[in-house]
Amino acid sequence: DTAVSQTPKYLVTQMGNDKSIKCEQNLGHDTMYWYKQDSKKFLKIMFSYNNKELIINETVPNRFSPKSPDKAHLNLHINSLELGDSAVYFCASSRTHYGYTFGSGTRLTVV
Amino acid sequence: KNEVEQSPQNLTAQEGEFITINCSYSVGISALHWLQQHPGGGIVSLFMLSSGKKKHGRLIATINIQEKHSSLHITASHPRDSAVYICAAHSGGGADGLTFGKGTHLIIQP
Repeated sequence: DTAVSQTPKYLVTQMGNDKSIKCEQNLGHDTMYWYKQDSKKFLKIMFSYNNKELIINETVPNRFSPKSPDKAHLNLHINSLELGDSAVYFCASSRTHYGYTFGSGTRLTVV
Repeated sequence: KNEVEQSPQNLTAQEGEFITINCSYSVGISALHWLQQHPGGGIVSLFMLSSGKKKHGRLIATINIQEKHSSLHITASHPRDSAVYICAAHSGGGADGLTFGKGTHLIIQP
């Protein structure tokens, strides 16, 4: 199946831990993104990667770091997790002048 | 003030009704996207518009670039259309991300 797949779907962890969320796309898209959806369901861009170059970083704490080993993968690493990091994180990919494809989301709960 | 505004925030209608959701944006855009998020949480891209009108099944999306306004219409609405509909603006180059509206929570009652 052609898709954007992200893992895990659910992640429960304690404050202060370090965690990663993985994302892979097999659509041949040239740009990948991480979006955060907060408790009020509002979506906001975190990062985008185009040809392994970081394009946007929108006021995201430096505890969050995207890692792209290749064009098909964009993983999200989070250090020293805080309660306020609890949210749903969506990976997405796109190709210029075409629409977006979203992953199914990772619900992160920090306790 | 958000750069992308949607209305209404919540909409409840009866099955079969014609539905309109509006989106206004204050940024210059290269494309306007309509997305659908079901209660299960997944997000699906419905339309990408840069001008005019697009139709897919019972869904129609229009955009007026001069007025910075877009509408999403659903004809012959059905309970399975119940979802959150999100308008999002792509305002920059190919690699820029989307700026989202706050969504319209639509419930279609049988």
